[in-house]
Amino acid sequence: RKEVEQDPGPFNVPEGATVAFNCTYSNSASQSFFWYRQDCRKEPKLLMSVYSSGNEDGRFTAQLNRASQYISLLIRDSKLSDSATYLCVVNTGGFKTIFGAGTRLFVKA
Amino acid sequence: NAGVTQTPKFQVLKTGQSMTLQCAQDMNHEYMSWYRQDPGMGLRLIHYSVGAGITDQGEVPNGYNVSRSTTEDFPLRLLSAAPSQTSVYFCASSHRTESYGYTFGSGTRLTVV
Repeated sequence: RKEVEQDPGPFNVPEGATVAFNCTYSNSASQSFFWYRQDCRKEPKLLMSVYSSGNEDGRFTAQLNRASQYISLLIRDSKLSDSATYLCVVNTGGFKTIFGAGTRLFVKA
Repeated sequence: NAGVTQTPKFQVLKTGQSMTLQCAQDMNHEYMSWYRQDPGMGLRLIHYSVGAGITDQGEVPNGYNVSRSTTEDFPLRLLSAAPSQTSVYFCASSHRTESYGYTFGSGTRLTVV
């Protein structure tokens, strides 16, 4: 079993749709959690950290469920510019950071 | 403020050749790391450093060496290139506290023929 698993997609959605990504992790001692965005042939960029209380940044909402060991990212009112690969990232302490393989999102007009 | 700068952006090597991928950051980050990214796989950690003079191995260190003589620079050396090292390589840096997340360089696309 991979330490961090994501649905590879692709997710194809129309503009304005709401889309949700889930991610599961295997190490219950994991300490910090992130979502990154990676555009085609570009470097990953930090989208947002994920906290147990949930956190929101504009159209993006991230949730962490420690009991079930999963992380989610919700994108509301999708834009064409949201098309990218979304990486789930888990840190298990001491800079041991595990990246998921990513979920590809296509937003279409 | 340049962030994390990687050079070169593209490189083609012949099997058995050696080369150094350069990485520099100007954010005074203590932590630096090298990842490789292959299709269908997540980024995999090659080597990392928590400060000048300190390096350690990641998940896939074989065939690579690193050194950290300054806070700013963290070069990655391929000792004897193999086709299996064809990949996209990313350098990343972070504040010492891992909860900050990483800043990545723009990557080096390496092909070994």
